[in-house]
Amino acid sequence: DGGITQSPKYLFRKEGQNVTLSCEQNLNHDAMYWYRQDPGQGLRLIYYSQIVNDFQKGDIAEGYSVSREKKESFPLTVTSAQKNPTAFYLCASSFQGAYEQYFGPGTRLTVT
Amino acid sequence: ELKVEQNPLFLSMQEGKNYTIYCNYSTTSDRLYWYRQDPGKSLESLFVLLSNGAVKQEGRLMASLDTKARLSTLHITAAVHDLSATYFCAVDKGGGGADGLTFGKGTHLIIQP
Repeated sequence: DGGITQSPKYLFRKEGQNVTLSCEQNLNHDAMYWYRQDPGQGLRLIYYSQIVNDFQKGDIAEGYSVSREKKESFPLTVTSAQKNPTAFYLCASSFQGAYEQYFGPGTRLTVT
Repeated sequence: ELKVEQNPLFLSMQEGKNYTIYCNYSTTSDRLYWYRQDPGKSLESLFVLLSNGAVKQEGRLMASLDTKARLSTLHITAAVHDLSATYFCAVDKGGGGADGLTFGKGTHLIIQP
């Protein structure tokens, strides 16, 4: 089955720890995206990548880092510099120049 | 800076009634998207509107786009309980969508029997 997978579904961390969220797609999509959702809010763009080995900051990139070493994978690291990391994180992908983004199931991160 | 505003943010309605959700955006864009989100779940794509005057319908939902007014509407006809969810509109940041989307805050829709 083609799709986007994110792991883990739930993640718990202590303050001060870095944590990496996984996003993998087998749709042969060129572009991948990370969004953050807070309760009662819409999604906000963290980082995006249109091709391998290249990525750009979104609206709220501070405290996050990404890599794009393979077309299929776009992991997101939430660093200790992120002041309020508890949120629902959604990964998406699309074909280059296409209009529709497909979303993964999300990772719910709780930092205490 | 691109801003996307939805209203209402919360809507409780009875089954069988009609209602419209509005989505305004602040800068020129020819592409607008509607998504549905169930509690605790990811986003499901409903409609992609690609040009001025575009209208798309799926079941009891119909979406339209007026790029001159920078307005999209999502109309619900004869609502049923299964349509209870949060609905988001989103607009391209640019680059044909490759630069990501800007989302509205969502409309939390509850449909009561």
